Amino acid sequence: DAGVIQSPRHEVTEMGQEVTLRCKPISGHDYLFWYRQTMMRGLELLIYFNNNVPIDDSGMPEDRFSAKMPNASFSTLKIQPSEPRDSAVYFCASSPGGSLAKNIQYFGAGTRLSVL
Amino acid sequence: QQQVKQSPQSLIVQKGGISIINCAYENTAFDYFPWYQQFPGKGPALLIAIRPDVSEKKEGRFTISFNKSAKQFSLHIMDSQPGDSATYFCAARGGSEKLVFGKGTKLTVNP
Repeated sequence: DAGVIQSPRHEVTEMGQEVTLRCKPISGHDYLFWYRQTMMRGLELLIYFNNNVPIDDSGMPEDRFSAKMPNASFSTLKIQPSEPRDSAVYFCASSPGGSLAKNIQYFGAGTRLSVL
Repeated sequence: QQQVKQSPQSLIVQKGGISIINCAYENTAFDYFPWYQQFPGKGPALLIAIRPDVSEKKEGRFTISFNKSAKQFSLHIMDSQPGDSATYFCAARGGSEKLVFGKGTKLTVNP
């Protein structure tokens, strides 16, 4: 398997624009996670899905952020409108779930977002 | 408390030395404690993990020590190598699939 695939790898946009980040999880994984990483706040969980259903979105910072998972092989994280403070690296991760022995989250390479 | 406190923030070790990173937690419902390693420009990757019914787990040069009564756990890297230079995150899971991550430790191993 190619692992978790995220696109784009880098995104530079202007304040107020809509940004869409994409993720393809590992085939067969039931869980998908979106994280944001910054120097100040570290690695924060934004939202996670189980079998395409959002389970916990308590980490989504505000209504400007939304995430969808229309099928088992694709998820998006959208920011509209974007602001400079959204600049960060956004990671998608997936895991098979189940027993603790299988509870490994596999991370993508991330999308580095810069909002000017 | 859904926090995991990690220290130090950065660590410099000479090649061949021992690197030690510490984490502490409050939530006694946590039942799984993984460590992730992240190289620049990459996503975090699982390094080693432990359950609270075990006091120590060793994989090669990497060892997790777990103190349930003190609610602390630590990562020891023996014979540290320059290739170990990375950022290390401790994490904890409890009650769901969510992982709570520490803030990370940037390890530099000098040749």
